[in-house]
Amino acid sequence: GAGVSQSPSNKVTEKGKDVELRCDPISGHTALYWYRQSLGQGLEFLIYFQGNSAPDKSGLPSDRFSAERTGGSVSTLTIQRTQQEDSAVYLCASSLDPHLSNQPQHFGDGTRLSIL
Amino acid sequence: GDSVTQMEGPVTLSEEAFLTINCTYTATGYPSLFWYVQYPGEGLQLLLKATKADDKGSNKGFEATYRKETTSFHLEKGSVQVSDSAVYFCALRSGGSYIPTFGRGTSLIVHP
Repeated sequence: GAGVSQSPSNKVTEKGKDVELRCDPISGHTALYWYRQSLGQGLEFLIYFQGNSAPDKSGLPSDRFSAERTGGSVSTLTIQRTQQEDSAVYLCASSLDPHLSNQPQHFGDGTRLSIL
Repeated sequence: GDSVTQMEGPVTLSEEAFLTINCTYTATGYPSLFWYVQYPGEGLQLLLKATKADDKGSNKGFEATYRKETTSFHLEKGSVQVSDSAVYFCALRSGGSYIPTFGRGTSLIVHP
């Protein structure tokens, strides 16, 4: 079946521009997560959605970052006025039922964002 | 809070060598434990998991046993292949949190 789909796979933009990253989770998965992975680094948690609401957005690094989820499905991560330090791979993951701690996450292949 | 500690990489091995990647954790209650693998240019994939003490997760020749007494979940494989070259992440999920906790990842390089 279809996995987690992210688009675009690569994005190159100039400093100061806004970017939108899209995540299409596995159908029926209620939990959705965004992470950032800088070159050679581990995962940095950004935000968690349960359905359309975001009970935990504690990882968003600044007010330039925002995310939404509609219809309990697709999510968009928006970065405004991009800076060079925003360059990273942005990973999206979904899981079936966030109330069950034994549920694994399913990851997309990420969007590689490069800010010139 | 919860935390996961993995051995520093890179781990460099010759093909057919034995692999161990250490993972220890601190958590409240009885977490579920996971190993994920990330191949170059891809997202993370679940490799194996264990949900209670003494459970052994296994997949593709990899194994890890949930050791509550030592709070460890070490990943092992008896004979690595070049195709196993990747970054391996240990993770846990406590019942009281919706957010998994990941280790920093361990890079494995296998030479022919």
